[in-house]
Amino acid sequence: DAMVIQNPRYQVTQFGKPVTLSCSQTLNHNVMYWYQQKSSQAPKLLFHYYDKDFNNEADTPDNFQSRRPNTSFCFLDIRSPGLGDAAMYLCATSRGSKLAKNIQYFGAGTRLSVL
Amino acid sequence: GQQVMQIPQYQHVQEGEDFTTYCNSSTTLSNIQWYKQRPGGHPVFLIQLVKSGEVKKQKRLTFQFGEAKKNSSLHITATQTTDVGTYFCDISGAGSYQLTFGKGTKLSVIP
Repeated sequence: DAMVIQNPRYQVTQFGKPVTLSCSQTLNHNVMYWYQQKSSQAPKLLFHYYDKDFNNEADTPDNFQSRRPNTSFCFLDIRSPGLGDAAMYLCATSRGSKLAKNIQYFGAGTRLSVL
Repeated sequence: GQQVMQIPQYQHVQEGEDFTTYCNSSTTLSNIQWYKQRPGGHPVFLIQLVKSGEVKKQKRLTFQFGEAKKNSSLHITATQTTDVGTYFCDISGAGSYQLTFGKGTKLSVIP
């Protein structure tokens, strides 16, 4: 059974039209992450939540926002998608302890296309 | 931040041949993780190595952490087509929440 679930698997949006990607987890992990992965590249961390504490990476554009209403759910909002935002968006979870946070469980991803 | 060199970038092997990918760091690592990403898939955690000289096995996969904790290897014995994918090492240390992946080794297995 999938433990980190992302919806939808594929999302098509128009240039500039806001879009929300969702992630849910059944692992009860306190840390949730959003990564952006472009073709043939390693995933790039956008931000993460440690419980309710939001941590933004310094180079994450303001266009990307996130919400975590409870332990199980986390959302990625892209306010005005540009063509360069077309990518696979991966949600991941981990426990927050010293070594365990390096063991991350990824969802299947949402592939975003921007027309 | 810490950087890691992962080699080779690509590897094509005949089914049944062995495969090895290496990760090398200029600094001493506290731990290292390995992930596998199948084509069109997502990274999947394989193993975490913490101790100097540690060797762990998972069926046909053997993971090693160097004595100096600056390098690691993943060796696959007798590759199968199911082994196809990109193998990433991650050198995130105790202080980082971001996975610090190497560039990955993309493995192709020719049946």
